[in-house]
Amino acid sequence: DTGVSQNPRHKITKRGQNVTFRCDPISEHNRLYWYRQTLGQGPEFLTYFQNEAQLEKSRLLSDRFSAERPKGSFSTLEIQRTEQGDSAMYLCASSWWGPPYGYTFGSGTRLTVV
Amino acid sequence: GIQVEQSPPDLILQEGANSTLRCNFSDSVNNLQWFHQNPWGQLINLFYIPSGTKQNGRLSATTVATERYSLLYISSSQTTDSGVYFCAVEPGGTSGSRLTFGEGTQLTVNP
Repeated sequence: DTGVSQNPRHKITKRGQNVTFRCDPISEHNRLYWYRQTLGQGPEFLTYFQNEAQLEKSRLLSDRFSAERPKGSFSTLEIQRTEQGDSAMYLCASSWWGPPYGYTFGSGTRLTVV
Repeated sequence: GIQVEQSPPDLILQEGANSTLRCNFSDSVNNLQWFHQNPWGQLINLFYIPSGTKQNGRLSATTVATERYSLLYISSSQTTDSGVYFCAVEPGGTSGSRLTFGEGTQLTVNP
């Protein structure tokens, strides 16, 4: 198993453009999580899936954000009409549904909006 | 929502020293995890420890759920231990949903 994979590693985009990130979780894990981390802060929860169902969304996830996990495997996070405040590290994690709920994080996608 | 406080915010050690990091949380939890974020940004899960004590090499952790705190012990620290240590919790009554992270302890181990 190669762990949780995220692509791209870095993304620089102009304000107003749309961006999409991809996360491939550990294959045995049926839960997938998206978090956002800004400099000097701990990660903040955005949303999570169990299989293909999106079970919870944070209030941080505005209408410009959408996440999908179409076949219960990989997931995508799209940000429309990016703003400078969207600049952050976007982290994906996966876990098994039952205890122990230990997360495995990917390396993240660093988004810079200019 | 649940509050997570970590202390100290910064810690500087000489190689070989021991340290204790603390995590206080404001409500009952059924999931508590410790993570290490290395200087390249990778978050590594160290422990899943909602209660009790665990050890893994030079690292050990203890969670006293009734008193709402957890401790991470690092013994014989090495320069590779440098980075940010996060405590993250999930409130009781939920199962495997969102984790709330503390602000972390920045550890620097000097040679």
